[in-house]
Amino acid sequence: QKEVEQNSGPLSVPEGAIASLNCTYSDRGSQSFFWYRQYSGKSPELIMSIYSNGDKEDGRFTAQLNKASQYVSLLIRDSQPSDSATYLCAVGSGTASKLTFGTGTRLQVTL
Amino acid sequence: GAGVSQSPSNKVTEKGKDVELRCDPISGHTALYWYRQSLGQGLEFLIYFQGNSAPDKSGLPSDRFSAERTGGSVSTLTIQRTQQEDSAVYLCASSPPAGQQETQYFGPGTRLLVL
Repeated sequence: QKEVEQNSGPLSVPEGAIASLNCTYSDRGSQSFFWYRQYSGKSPELIMSIYSNGDKEDGRFTAQLNKASQYVSLLIRDSQPSDSATYLCAVGSGTASKLTFGTGTRLQVTL
Repeated sequence: GAGVSQSPSNKVTEKGKDVELRCDPISGHTALYWYRQSLGQGLEFLIYFQGNSAPDKSGLPSDRFSAERTGGSVSTLTIQRTQQEDSAVYLCASSPPAGQQETQYFGPGTRLLVL
């Protein structure tokens, strides 16, 4: 079983719709959770971090965390073509240490 | 301010040669990480530095890989006797001092191609 699992996609959504990206993790001791966006040929760029159960909103992005279900998600409202990228879920222990990444979900926002 | 920088941006080498990859973290960031990303794959952790020491080297794939960090700043990842399977993008990240959120910020990466 992979430590951090994501559906590889592609997830295709029309412009203006809500994109929902999901991630599950296996280590119950995980404390920190991150979503990175990676455009083709570029390095990962931090979108959101979340540490507590519930929702965290930042502009068009909402991260949701449910530690009991070992589940973290990212919602993108009013999706734009520029949101088309691979979204990486990363999980950490809550201290300065390595992050464990999923393989990413490729999002395609269509006109 | 300046982000994480890495050099070279691209490196083509012949099998069996040694390569050195450099990372310059964000100023003031005490933690530094090396990852690699093979084509179509997720990020694979290699090594983590806190200051000049490396508490976690568990991701280094073989003894051909080594890394050092000097002055709590610049880090060098060295791959000896490169193999074709070493071809990947090598990413460096840094994060703020302990006690702050440990968000990792990535550099642009070094694309290594071993022929």
